[in-house]
Amino acid sequence: GESVGLHLPTLSVQEGDNSIINCAYSNSASDYFIWYKQESGKGPQFIIDIRSNMDKRQGQRVTVLLNKTVKHLSLQIAATQPGDSAVYFCAENMRGYQKVTFGTGTKLQVIP
Amino acid sequence: EADIYQTPRYLVIGTGKKITLECSQTMGHDKMYWYQQDPGMELHLIHYSYGVNSTEKGDLSSESTVSRIRTEHFPLTLESARPSHTSQYLCASSDLQRTANEKLFFGSGTQLSVL
Repeated sequence: GESVGLHLPTLSVQEGDNSIINCAYSNSASDYFIWYKQESGKGPQFIIDIRSNMDKRQGQRVTVLLNKTVKHLSLQIAATQPGDSAVYFCAENMRGYQKVTFGTGTKLQVIP
Repeated sequence: EADIYQTPRYLVIGTGKKITLECSQTMGHDKMYWYQQDPGMELHLIHYSYGVNSTEKGDLSSESTVSRIRTEHFPLTLESARPSHTSQYLCASSDLQRTANEKLFFGSGTQLSVL
């Protein structure tokens, strides 16, 4: 089919190293942000979220950092494993506006 | 694990055929969505629904149509499939009424190929 949009940037990381995936969001009024992981042939899956009243949130092996000043979101994955290989999308939402905007996505390749 | 299901998983069909992609969720979510995604590309919103009898067009123009007669069911229909419709179609839902934030749960997708 006809392709629309941008090809995804790729990040290659050695197994065991930490990964940092970055996302620039567009709306300064957005107050809720989510990272999704999409494995090949599957739909995106929720990883972690953060509200705008926080600047850091930690999960299991993952940390999300939010810098509202520069409208930047990052996902840090500790001790990256082969199973982390996937495409990672950030998404932003503004309460009450009821619209989710997805970033372009980053493909993470883990080198064994 | 999200309880949202899409069928068929894969569909290969000839040009001009009418097709319906099924999506069902058992979570009682009010809002549902259809996204189109080409391999290695972004997600594009093509339709969404706030609830029963609500359907809205998304950001990306699409020749498909949707219906929402029941809360749990949000089928997408192409009246006359063309090769340009070849893509992956992802259905999602969110519990907007309860959470007021759009945390989406996605199905596994339908990979459509039109010959």
